Amino acid sequence: DAKTTQPPSMDCAEGRAANLPCNHSTISGNEYVYWYRQIHSQGPQYIIHGLKNNETNEMASLIITEDRKSSTLILPHATLRDTAVYYCIFKVSNFGNEKLTFGTGTRLTIIP
Amino acid sequence: NAGVTQTPKFRVLKTGQSMTLLCAQDMNHEYMYWYRQDPGMGLRLIHYSVGEGTTAKGEVPDGYNVSRLKKQNFLLGLESAAPSQTSVYFCASSRTSWETQYFGPGTRLLVL
Repeated sequence: DAKTTQPPSMDCAEGRAANLPCNHSTISGNEYVYWYRQIHSQGPQYIIHGLKNNETNEMASLIITEDRKSSTLILPHATLRDTAVYYCIFKVSNFGNEKLTFGTGTRLTIIP
Repeated sequence: NAGVTQTPKFRVLKTGQSMTLLCAQDMNHEYMYWYRQDPGMGLRLIHYSVGEGTTAKGEVPDGYNVSRLKKQNFLLGLESAAPSQTSVYFCASSRTSWETQYFGPGTRLLVL
């Protein structure tokens, strides 16, 4: 499995955009980039995923570089409820690959 | 629509005791997973199932058994609990192997 590198922690002021980077220089062509977050000790929550193109949904935007070696999750207007650990994960989109490999993620703290 | 539920929420066991953790999902998902999460670490896959009546080993299967007798339920068993199995256990489900996984709230297990 390709490995991801994320900063262990980040702070962001409430109301500002939170930009969470992820390096994945060994990603393969058929591997999707997924982002999950875990608030306190709750179960992980899906945020967004993408393959090549930038993606946006009601929670966040995902910017993937053209060479696909890195990506950035953007929370456009961070709130205190966005304080969580954010995981950048790879997953192959084919039958037989059922594993999501979670690293240690980035602990994002939203500052009032 | 409750999503993914787990019982119990918290349990204390003595070394050598056995117990079963229950995961239930009401989304008619084919795939179900059991993860464990230890302090400061990401989630690690224990076992998973690709459909009713099937099970497969994940990354850390030793000391655990699973069963998927009904599509909506996935049971995780500890035959003889050990202190090393003290952890938070998360269940997840997904419609297909590459689609979003939905997680339950977790079960905290303490083995003394």
